[in-house]
Amino acid sequence: NAGVMQNPRHLVRRRGQEARLRCSPMKGHSHVYWYRQLPEEGLKFMVYLQKENIIDESGMPKERFSAEFPKEGPSILRIQQVVRGDSAAYFCASSPTPTAGEQYFGPGTRLTVT
Amino acid sequence: KNQVEQSPQSLIILEGKNCTLQCNYTVSPFSNLRWYKQDTGRGPVSLTIMTFSENTKSNGRYTATLDADTKQSSLHITASQLSDSASYICVVSASSKLIFGAGTRLAVHP
Repeated sequence: NAGVMQNPRHLVRRRGQEARLRCSPMKGHSHVYWYRQLPEEGLKFMVYLQKENIIDESGMPKERFSAEFPKEGPSILRIQQVVRGDSAAYFCASSPTPTAGEQYFGPGTRLTVT
Repeated sequence: KNQVEQSPQSLIILEGKNCTLQCNYTVSPFSNLRWYKQDTGRGPVSLTIMTFSENTKSNGRYTATLDADTKQSSLHITASQLSDSASYICVVSASSKLIFGAGTRLAVHP
């Protein structure tokens, strides 16, 4: 059973471009969470999705950021018109249920905005 | 405001020594508390998870304690190894949301 997969592992974008981050949850997991980790800081919750639904997006900036988890395929975190402050590590986690058990984390995508 | 605070921020110990990391939290409603290990450039990996009624849990050389009255937890590492060098993150669950501490960066030197 493969773990949570994220790609790309490293992404470099120039200011104003779009960044698209992908997350494939563990098999059988229908709950996906996205987190952002700035250098020297802890992980911060961004958004929680179930298949085809956004359950909680309270940690996601209202502008330029969007997330989806379609019926088929990976979850996508999209950042439009990236700025230098978006440079961070973005982690995805999945779980089989929303509250019980653990969230399993992917290896992260390191986004660098030049 | 839901918060998780960890101390120390960083720690250096010699291989073979023991150490204890601290976590204080103000999170409501409390569901459970987890300790994660995060190697540099990798995602966090779960070490232990404790519910309100549990006050100690072990995973090999890692032992976590929880005092729900004082809202404190500790992670004790016994006979440290070089591979223990990592960030250790205390995470408190409030319903379906996880509140992360900033982590303690542990360096184990030979």
